[in-house]
Amino acid sequence: SAVISQKPSRDICQRGTSLTIQCQVDSQVTMMFWYRQQPGQSLTLIATANQGSEATYESGFVIDKFPISRPNLTFSTLTVSNMSPEDSSIYLCSADRDLGEQFFGPGTRLTVL
Amino acid sequence: QKEVEQDPGPLSVPEGAIVSLNCTYSNSAFQYFMWYRQYSRKGPELLMYTYSSGNKEDGRFTAQVDKSSKYISLFIRDSQPSDSATYLCAMTLGNQFYFGTGTSLTVIP
Repeated sequence: SAVISQKPSRDICQRGTSLTIQCQVDSQVTMMFWYRQQPGQSLTLIATANQGSEATYESGFVIDKFPISRPNLTFSTLTVSNMSPEDSSIYLCSADRDLGEQFFGPGTRLTVL
Repeated sequence: QKEVEQDPGPLSVPEGAIVSLNCTYSNSAFQYFMWYRQYSRKGPELLMYTYSSGNKEDGRFTAQVDKSSKYISLFIRDSQPSDSATYLCAMTLGNQFYFGTGTSLTVIP
């Protein structure tokens, strides 16, 4: 299995500001993903973080709002820009080894006031 | 129709009971099937992973896949209070993952 850490674990932010979430994997992985999980709901994929190229965004998510970086095979960041209370959620990073098993980080709990 | 359907529960059982968690799916092309356990305020943790029809056992946990019926199950034997969590099913098609909404389970001592 892969061990994934995320920073920060939680934050409370003001409307209109931006927050960058970091995701670190303890070994090189092929795929990294960013999900959002709102209370009582399942995981919604925001984007796939591609190493060396632009992220691939799912319908309803755009790069201007959720810029993503992936500078190498073990690290990625997600920025939540110009935040509003609707962005309050848990943001999860995950990594997928070649066998198709996906492992998740502990999540970042974001509250926007 | 959602790709993956999962009863959200909540499900409450006494300690020692056998728990059955289920998901149905619509796409017969799904390749891999997984169960995740998510404790409150934690990220999902991969519990079971299988790719073929049949049963896979790991300790008190058994994952069952029935591709002909498009149905997967997770059985928990001798359930413990520490099993109290939300259980998410997931399945893959290529690089795409599809998650159920999760079933909240409480095991009462």
